[in-house]
Amino acid sequence: QVQLVESGGGLVKPGGSLRLSCAASGFSFNDYYMSWIRQAPGKGLEWVSYITSSGSSIYYADSVKGRFTISRDDAKNSLYLQMNSLRAEDTAVYYCARRGKGQSFDYWGQGTLVTVSS
Amino acid sequence: SYVLTQPPSVSVAPGQTARITCGGNNIGSKSVHWYQQKPGQAPVLVVYDDSDRPSGIPERFSGSNSGNTATLTISRVEAGDEADYYCQVWDSSSDYWVFGGGTKLTVL
Repeated sequence: QVQLVESGGGLVKPGGSLRLSCAASGFSFNDYYMSWIRQAPGKGLEWVSYITSSGSSIYYADSVKGRFTISRDDAKNSLYLQMNSLRAEDTAVYYCARRGKGQSFDYWGQGTLVTVSS
Repeated sequence: SYVLTQPPSVSVAPGQTARITCGGNNIGSKSVHWYQQKPGQAPVLVVYDDSDRPSGIPERFSGSNSGNTATLTISRVEAGDEADYYCQVWDSSSDYWVFGGGTKLTVL
């Protein structure tokens, strides 16, 4: 069965960095586009970044452009999000998600919490 | 950027029909996807491409999309349907994946 497991979250000071990982299993990871989506405490869902199966195309939300970098390692069936210059407003649960039919997201991980606070 | 508007809350009695709307400029020209999120859990896709259901999603969940409004309809509502529901589209003009603000469904 499809599984996505995020890790790497934690408490970091404003201006700091963090690298999130998402380990995928149960499907051919290299065939799928992947994304990061976040949810601030008590708030709605916000798309963060997206990477195509080949990694040739990458997209970012304006709120993270220039600070976050998405990448993938198909040999390790893993998706990553390097987060730099973190701000308090980046505090959220970060989910990795697999692109499904259309431009939907058909499988999501359980999420990892990132807290940016001094 | 493209904006999706959902009512903050919808309430319905068990056994009745719940309708959750998602408004956007000419949203009928886009494919709309719907997610269910229960407290402390990750979102689950319940409808994709306006009206298709992933395997394992009950037939009670259906969707429609026309003009400026997409609608998620939940028939014969059960207590277990109580959750937050989010609509989502891909805005091809900006390569942005957009979510609505979410609707909290309360089963009375």
